[in-house]
Amino acid sequence: KAGVTQTPRYLIKTRGQQVTLSCSPISGHRSVSWYQQTPGQGLQFLFEYFSETQRNKGNFPGRFSGRQFSNSRSEMNVSTLELGDSALYLCASSNRDRVDEKLFFGSGTQLSVL
Amino acid sequence: AQTVTQSQPEMSVQEAETVTLSCTYDTSESDYYLFWYKQPPSRQMILVIRQEAYKQQNATENRFSVNFQKAAKSFSLKISDSQLGDAAMYFCAYSSGSSNTGKLIFGQGTTLQVKP
Repeated sequence: KAGVTQTPRYLIKTRGQQVTLSCSPISGHRSVSWYQQTPGQGLQFLFEYFSETQRNKGNFPGRFSGRQFSNSRSEMNVSTLELGDSALYLCASSNRDRVDEKLFFGSGTQLSVL
Repeated sequence: AQTVTQSQPEMSVQEAETVTLSCTYDTSESDYYLFWYKQPPSRQMILVIRQEAYKQQNATENRFSVNFQKAAKSFSLKISDSQLGDAAMYFCAYSSGSSNTGKLIFGQGTTLQVKP
């Protein structure tokens, strides 16, 4: 069974641009959540999608958005990039059938904003 | 709001020895889950061990075990017979038991070095 796949692995953008990151969950998983990891702020929850609906949202500005498709693949978009958006963005998937369902993480997309 | 604190930014252990990583958390909830995740240089977060708050018994996974002290809100990870492959950053995480599994609250992490 393939794991969680995130593309691209690395991305370099300039301030003001926008970026879209992709996440393909494990087959059969309907929940996808996104996290931002930076040296200063650590790992922070961005949002979670389940069956194409956003279920949870972290404390991030509206420039951060996401969506989920009918095949459970998810995309995350950041508009008007700022230097502080440079981070590792991690995606995780789960079945979400039980409250203690395990999360499986991808290897992340490293975004650098110049 | 729930918080997770890891007070040890870095730890080191000799191969084959035992090391304990500390984690404390704060919550007003009675139903929750606690996790330890490992993040090697590949950056992929790997679940090491999980503890349900309602269970008195400490979770164990092979060489990994936890010391869960609910009243003290402490959740430490013990790694026995440390191996070179255990070198990584370790994160303690909290998840509310009443809702969403997708939202984890992480500590700042502890970098573990294993010396041969």
